[in-house]
Amino acid sequence: SQQGEEDPQALSIQEGENATMNCSYKTSINNLQWYRQNSGRGLVHLILIRSNEREKHSGRLRVTLDTSKKSSSLLITASRAADTASYFCATALGDSGAGSYQLTFGKGTKLSVIP
Amino acid sequence: DAGVIQSPRHEVTEMGQEVTLRCKPISGHDYLFWYRQTMMRGLELLIYFNNNVPIDDSGMPEDRFSAKMPNASFSTLKIQPSEPRDSAVYFCASSSQGAWNEQFFGPGTRLTVL
Repeated sequence: SQQGEEDPQALSIQEGENATMNCSYKTSINNLQWYRQNSGRGLVHLILIRSNEREKHSGRLRVTLDTSKKSSSLLITASRAADTASYFCATALGDSGAGSYQLTFGKGTKLSVIP
Repeated sequence: DAGVIQSPRHEVTEMGQEVTLRCKPISGHDYLFWYRQTMMRGLELLIYFNNNVPIDDSGMPEDRFSAKMPNASFSTLKIQPSEPRDSAVYFCASSSQGAWNEQFFGPGTRLTVL
């Protein structure tokens, strides 16, 4: 089953507006990451927030993490047409007993920024 | 520096044929991942390697799928025999920071099995 679930599934905004996407997950995590995928391309890493952090900024991106609610949000300020893409959250889980760790991706939020 | 390189970018084949997807990770990265992306199931981890050794293949759907990493600069994902339900985009990713930190994705291989 999917660990991270993004909300909304699709979002359409005007250029210059802010875009907020949310991610909820089910189990304890080591970190949470956000990736962007342009149509027909691979995923590109945007930002990583660790479980002991609450907020992180990178340029026009702001990510928050609430481990008590098992949720995260990605805010893109002053959106541009070039921000049009799908955005995925990925939760990092580890099984120290099995020595296996992995990222589990949600199904994404499709953001359309209208010029 | 070149990113992750995947070939072919598109593959169309008929059911029952063998398909081999190829990946060259970023030089110096010691983790390599194979993912599959479909509309229905999203992005799924199939298998990952650390220092050319398979660590977790629990995501490999069935015995028709196999993956190898003969050296640090090359990996293959093979499907034999292929089925229409294998149609998807297959991504390779690499990382130098472990299996749960930033990953660098290739452009993907779009596989269509008729």
